[in-house]
Amino acid sequence: EEQLLESGGGLVQPGGSLRLSCADPGLSFSRYGMSWVRQAPGRGLEWVSGLSGSGASTYYADSVKGRFTISRDNSKNTLYLQMNSLRVEDTAVYYCAKDWKGSTGWGQGTLVTVSS
Amino acid sequence: DIQMTQSPSTLSASVGDRVTITCRASQTISSWLAWYQQKPGKAPKLLIYKASSLESGVPSRFSGSGSGTEFTLTISSLQPDDFATYYCQKYNTYPHTFGQGTNLEIK
Repeated sequence: EEQLLESGGGLVQPGGSLRLSCADPGLSFSRYGMSWVRQAPGRGLEWVSGLSGSGASTYYADSVKGRFTISRDNSKNTLYLQMNSLRVEDTAVYYCAKDWKGSTGWGQGTLVTVSS
Repeated sequence: DIQMTQSPSTLSASVGDRVTITCRASQTISSWLAWYQQKPGKAPKLLIYKASSLESGVPSRFSGSGSGTEFTLTISSLQPDDFATYYCQKYNTYPHTFGQGTNLEIK
């Protein structure tokens, strides 16, 4: 199982925006649904958002609905998470995962810090 | 949405002990349950999928059971490398909710 590679994290002020990317080095990216999962400092895992293999169906946790947008580009084997109206409580390590056997292919994550 | 509840939140045990962690779903999820191990600063590692299927490369001392709403993860003989945090996750439908985690610590 090849690891996914997350990028795009950083420091942003409350109310700001950030776009995360997740690259899949494998050959079957479009076959699988994909999800974003986050982990705030010292806290547990929180599923954030998911979408189908085609990208036609998207799903969100209530905590991010209306602020975050998940999407994918199957021609580039890449998953995205557009995060708008960021809040201090969105501070976390964000992981992407392949929705297969649960969640697989976890990368190292990318840290998003929302602070003034 | 279906809620996932793990117990206990913290478990103290010794090397060689047999330990069991429980995960309960607020509605039936058939066997669509996975278990993960996470160590500080690392990504979660898949241990068990479909409630009882052992992921490739995972030691056989780990086992999972259950269906419907009640599930268990058992470690038959704790090894030093097993002290970590464990999570269950439902994945029958979105949202793929996680349990709150069980911190397995050395007694």
